[in-house]
Amino acid sequence: AQTVTQSQPEMSVQEAETVTLSCTYDTSESNYYLFWYKQPPSRQMILVIRQEAYKQQNATENRFSVNFQKAAKSFSLKISDSQLGDTAMYFCALVRRRSSGSARQLTFGSGTQLTVLP
Amino acid sequence: DAGVTQSPTHLIKTRGQQVTLRCSPISGHKSVSWYQQVLGQGPQFIFQYYEKEERGRGNFPDRFSARQFPNYSSELNVNALLLGDSALYLCASSLAGASVETQYFGPGTRLLVL
Repeated sequence: AQTVTQSQPEMSVQEAETVTLSCTYDTSESNYYLFWYKQPPSRQMILVIRQEAYKQQNATENRFSVNFQKAAKSFSLKISDSQLGDTAMYFCALVRRRSSGSARQLTFGSGTQLTVLP
Repeated sequence: DAGVTQSPTHLIKTRGQQVTLRCSPISGHKSVSWYQQVLGQGPQFIFQYYEKEERGRGNFPDRFSARQFPNYSSELNVNALLLGDSALYLCASSLAGASVETQYFGPGTRLLVL
């Protein structure tokens, strides 16, 4: 079984500041992928960033970057220059890279509600 | 390009009834997954289908069933509805076989069981 833990139920940040959301996970697999999704009040789950576990380089996507620590099983999300539109629930998720024909199900954390304050 | 679409957006049913939710994947995506998201929690995996075959099933009772059609659209069916089935049902599609099989989500169907 695999688990994803987000220990910060709520966070807030001032507009234009930087914030880091934490995520830890547990899996016995050696090959897997990690994702951050955001879910604004509209409920649409939107991909923010993804990381392949076999890559040591941390992924970046514009103002979003991750700090991937494989040995510690930690995968935090840093949002720079926070904007009001970043207000959303953020979910960390894990999927095992399995052989063809088997399910690739996402395991999600419980989420962190981020509020960007004007 | 159109994203994942789901219908209906909202649904109200009473206990014991049956419901069918529909999903159309992104064009070219052959894999569809269904998730249940109870208020205040992360989504939970229900089913994954690829090329009309069930690839995996989460820890849900047999009241939940699904199928995928030749055009890769999918239906999720829930029988004998319980109050606890009230949730947001999310559909996700992915380009199966890609090096990183990222799942892209639809807007969801909000189901309320009274």
